[in-house]
Parts: sequence; structure tokens; C-alpha cells
Amino acid sequence: GAVVSQHPSWVICKSGTSVKIECRSLDFQATTMFWYRQFPKQSLMLMATSNEGSKATYEQGVEKDKFLINHASLTLSTLTVTSAHPEDSSFYICSASLSAAGEYATNEKLFFGSGTQLSVL
Amino acid sequence: AQTVTQSQPEMSVQEAETVTLSCTYDTSENNYYLFWYKQPPSRQMILVIRQEAYKQQNATENRFSVNFQKAAKSFSLKISDSQLGDTAMYFCAFMWSNYQLIWGAGTKLIIKP
Repeated sequence: GAVVSQHPSWVICKSGTSVKIECRSLDFQATTMFWYRQFPKQSLMLMATSNEGSKATYEQGVEKDKFLINHASLTLSTLTVTSAHPEDSSFYICSASLSAAGEYATNEKLFFGSGTQLSVL
Repeated sequence: AQTVTQSQPEMSVQEAETVTLSCTYDTSENNYYLFWYKQPPSRQMILVIRQEAYKQQNATENRFSVNFQKAAKSFSLKISDSQLGDTAMYFCAFMWSNYQLIWGAGTKLIIKP
């Protein structure tokens, strides 16, 4: 099956620094990628949706300038947490779709990365 | 707006028993997908089973099956012959044409030896 590689799996950083998380589709071209945040014992919260070559669409309440998303190619999307603070500590997960948002595919699946635990000291 | 509700925060059964996890959803869409995902302690999201709304036949994957009631907007997951490795958080999710997943709050399933 399709594989999505997310790196790093965990990162510890100092408050005020920036952290970049990568999400790569290894054996398919991901037209659409999603970034989620998950707090302990809670469900996933969608942060943003990105289509290759265009600006990401952020969910309400998610700061665009703080969580920079770049989807420069069909196999790579990055999430950069800028000037990280302790409240940004969380588990971040990406997922990738074969199809573009707005289309309806009869066999659509989403593939998830393994997640990144961010701890900001 | 689409919503997904999982009313069972936690369930616990003995190994080899059958367990059913509940999920209801609300939507005005006619074409959509429904999913059950499993998140074990590793926190990797694993697709358990998927159902396309236009298909009347309930999806099955080995020991996992669903009871999809479109009119009632219900999508329950049945796990037969439960195994210790089934211990995990289970999330019900809804997706339509924009490929955004709407997640339920999750059910923590514990399989006891």
C-alpha cells in the first residue's frame, strides 16, 4: 500500500525557535495533503489543507503566520511551526490524498504519516 | 455542517468476544465516505474499514464489519473474535468530496486477556 513518511517522529526545541516537519508520499503523487493536530486523548483537529502548487487553506482559528505550510511538489509538504511556544506542544499528523479536493473518486483513500511529537521547552 | 458522534468514550471486553462500537453522523450530502480508523499506542492511524455511501452492502474486512444504516445515519463497527492487538483508540470519520475528514471523538477499546 501507499506510504507516507513523516519526519521527525519527535522533536524537542526551545521556546522561540522554529521547527519544520516534513511529510513525504513515497510511492505516489499526493495532490492534496492535510495537516492535523492531536492533543492527548482527543481526536484529530484539522489545521489546514494544501494542494500542490497553491496556498494552503487554513481552518478557522489556525494562525497562518505561525503554522507555515508549503506543498511545493507532489511528494512533499512541510509544516513549519514558527517561534514555537510551550502551548504549541502537541502531536502533529499529516495525511495525503491521491485526488484533488473537489473531485469525487470512487476508490479514495487517505494515507497517514506516523506523526511528530513536538515538545517546546 | 457535518458532524460525527461517538457516544462511547471507553469500552472493555474479554479476548475472543465480539464488540460493537457506535457512530452516528449528520450530513445533507448524498455521496460520501465513512471510515473507521484505529490508533494504537504507537499513534499511527490505521485504516480499519471504509464504506461508500452509495453502496448498500455493508463493508467487511476479516474480523471487522460495519452496520451501515444510511437513513438512520448510523455506522457501527463490529469486531469479532477480539484480540489483544485490537486494543486502541477507534475513530469514526466522515469524508465527502473535499476530502476533509470529520472525526468523531473516539472510543478507547480495551481487550482484556
